[in-house]
Amino acid sequence: SQQGEEDPQALSIQEGENATMNCSYKTSINNLQWYRQNSGRGLVHLILIRSNEREKHSGRLRVTLDTSKKSSSLLITASRAADTASYFCATAVSGNTPLVFGKGTRLSVIA
Amino acid sequence: DTEVTQTPKHLVMGMTNKKSLKCEQHMGHRAMYWYKQKAKKPPELMFVYSYEKLSINESVPSRFSPECPNSSLLNLHLHALQPEDSALYLCASSPTGVTYNEQFFGPGTRLTVL
Repeated sequence: SQQGEEDPQALSIQEGENATMNCSYKTSINNLQWYRQNSGRGLVHLILIRSNEREKHSGRLRVTLDTSKKSSSLLITASRAADTASYFCATAVSGNTPLVFGKGTRLSVIA
Repeated sequence: DTEVTQTPKHLVMGMTNKKSLKCEQHMGHRAMYWYKQKAKKPPELMFVYSYEKLSINESVPSRFSPECPNSSLLNLHLHALQPEDSALYLCASSPTGVTYNEQFFGPGTRLTVL
């Protein structure tokens, strides 16, 4: 399975701190995506990084991709209570195969 | 309009009932998806429609029947469900017919099967 595996499964930090979560996968990919899900709600797409990219930024988010290690990391800087959510990585192999979601990291940001 | 809407938000049904979930998007997206998500688990893909044709069925039991009447609308017909089918059902869409684009999710329908 190419399923991504997030690490850690759960993370609790204080407001203002940075949060880092990691994703590992098993096969070559076209791109890797990160999604956020607030409790019991739909997923929100955060960022997509292609296999030929190494780093992308979006606001307080920084994503890196290391295809040699088959891993990605999501950094949220200066976290806020509103960042409390589950974060999933999803890997895409080709246009005809489904995105495969990892198990997710549950982030709690304490005010 | 940049959102995916789902109705109803909550649904409680008995094992003998027939019900339908509805999903709508007006972003001109050409691929639409149904996912099932259990608590504290990632979404599991059920079906993909690409250009209004079923392109992926992840071996879903026949008690779940998808339908795509037009490019904006996706239904999931439910019949003779089991209690273990209770979950959050998520609809999503993506701009083109390929599955590796970013996906836009609706808020989900929380289904409880008694």
